[in-house]
Amino acid sequence: EDQVTQSPEALRLQEGESSSLNCSYTVSGLRGLFWYRQDPGKGPEFLFTLYSAGEEKEKERLKATLTKKESFLHITAPKPEDSATYLCAVPLYNQGGKLIFGQGTELSVKP
Amino acid sequence: DAGITQSPRHKVTETGTPVTLRCHQTENHRYMYWYRQDPGHGLRLIHYSYGVKDTDKGEVSDGYSVSRSKTEDFLLTLESATSSQTSVYFCAIRTVSPNFSYEQYFGPGTRLTVT
Repeated sequence: EDQVTQSPEALRLQEGESSSLNCSYTVSGLRGLFWYRQDPGKGPEFLFTLYSAGEEKEKERLKATLTKKESFLHITAPKPEDSATYLCAVPLYNQGGKLIFGQGTELSVKP
Repeated sequence: DAGITQSPRHKVTETGTPVTLRCHQTENHRYMYWYRQDPGHGLRLIHYSYGVKDTDKGEVSDGYSVSRSKTEDFLLTLESATSSQTSVYFCAIRTVSPNFSYEQYFGPGTRLTVT
């Protein structure tokens, strides 16, 4: 069964305290893994696409990595403005681009 | 923001009434999607469209219908709203990257409450 699981569900950090979020997946024929950021009351905002194991993408304090079974979103020296819910998603092969989403990790960064 | 707007942004309606949500895009994307987001369930696909008058079901399509008569508009209709359809609804469009992956960009959402 195609599945995406994120952990932890919630993460509280102090400003400057680096950490990682995990996204594990079981899908056939991976054609990319997406990370999104979602702020309360808003739609998901696209962050990264990772296509193959070993690939890395960076944006400001965020770095996403991909292995054959999971992806990590590393947050280096986070700031309060990084507080949001982070979602990962995987498109299903040959099904119109349907995305399967994880439940998300709610990140809170305190000053 | 990928040029996506949704209307209305908020709606309160009564059980049994019909409701139509509109998604409008300005960039001529072929694929459009409707998702709902609920606590504990995350984002789930309701219906999607792969062209004018071409639509298909997602995983939670019961109680919903869609229509796409123009490339830029994708409508989601609840024929007879129920309290279980209280949710936040998101529209998305798909772009095709050089690696033929399916990146989706989301609209701002519609918060629907069925009383």
